[in-house]
Order: sequence, then structure tokens, then C-alpha cells
Amino acid sequence: ETGVTQTPRHLVMGMTNKKSLKCEQHLGHNAMYWYKQSAKKPLELMFVYSLEERVENNSVPSRFSPECPNSSHLFLHLHTLQPEDSALYLCASSQETGEYYGYTFGSGTRLTVV
Amino acid sequence: GQNIDQPTEMTATEGAIVQINCTYQTSGFNGLFWYQQHAGEAPTFLSYNVLDGLEEKGRFSSFLSRSKGYSYLLLKELQMKDSASYLCAVRDSNYQLIWGAGTKLIIKP
Repeated sequence: ETGVTQTPRHLVMGMTNKKSLKCEQHLGHNAMYWYKQSAKKPLELMFVYSLEERVENNSVPSRFSPECPNSSHLFLHLHTLQPEDSALYLCASSQETGEYYGYTFGSGTRLTVV
Repeated sequence: GQNIDQPTEMTATEGAIVQINCTYQTSGFNGLFWYQQHAGEAPTFLSYNVLDGLEEKGRFSSFLSRSKGYSYLLLKELQMKDSASYLCAVRDSNYQLIWGAGTKLIIKP
């Protein structure tokens, strides 16, 4: 496999459920990101793992918790979510060397909280 | 605060030319990106500008004016497959990407 792979593609969960989103990159990149994409809004950066160091966005509720066991894998653990958390969750990776680095995105997980 | 502005939606005709504008106000500047995102798919990289001027890549070109905080993406010879959202993003002084909300481009036959 190549690129950035996200599973599952679609997820419907109740507010009391616990689920996890998975992201895997096969590009040898050293940084990984979680983004939330809601309709007609800019991409919202949630979490960054860069050179094995976690950079957290302080505005992310604690019901979202990331895990990065190695440079190729990234998880987003979800628990007691709210309906307003329904969105497309995108994972991305990049190689942080030199002046230029672009992001490679996965296809996302479409999350619906009921 | 930091802000990226781009039109919400644009419509164009197959075979024509369309220009999608992006204006930005950010804390520093370390490059501007354009991404294309088809519905239900991943955003994919289109172009990167860090110096003023025009970068051409096939049917797509991207222009940057740092003094005006302005960029545009120019799409020529439009095809139906160009129907997508186009995202503008600026890398600030902390090397964080600041994103616009995207421009949905609708191509009509």
C-alpha cells in the first residue's frame, strides 16, 4: 500500500460509545496530523505528532485523545461524543525537512454521532 | 487573528477559464498551498508558492503577491472532472498551516 490510509471510512456511533479511528502512512514521513473538516468551515487542526513529539491544540475537548505508537501509525480515540462532533476526520502526514513540505491526506473517516 | 478568505462557491462552463482568489492575513508567511478536494475524497496537493509570481503546471497556474496578501488559482480548459472544492492554505511564522474554508467549483456543460 502507498500513501495515507484511514479506517474506517464511515462510522456511526452513539454518544455513549467508545471507538477509535486509525491512520497509517507508508511514505516514511516524520509528522502526522488529525484534522476535523465540517461543512463550509476551514480545516481545524486537532493534533500534531512531529518528530515523535506531540503538539496539542488546547481547544480540543478531552473526549478526543490521540495516540501515536510509532511514526507510521496514528489513532484517534473517541468517547462520549456529542452530535456536533459529527464531521469528516482527516489524517495527514508530512516530512519536516527543508523549507518545503506539503501534506499528504488520507480519504478521511465520515463520523456521525447519534 | 489569522484569516484566509476565498469565495464559497463558483460556477464555470466546460472549456472555459476560471480564477479562484484567496486573500490572507497571517502572522508571518512561509508559503501558500492550493489543494483540490473531490467530494468524499482526500485533499490532494496542487501547487506551492513562496515567491511572488506565477507558477504554471499544465492547465493549472497559481499566482502570489506577498505584498498584497493575495493569491489566485487559475484553471484553464475546464473539464467536468475539475468540479471539486479548492482549498487555500498559508504556512505562518510557526510553520503551521492556516486554512481557508474552500471554494466549491461547479462546472456546467
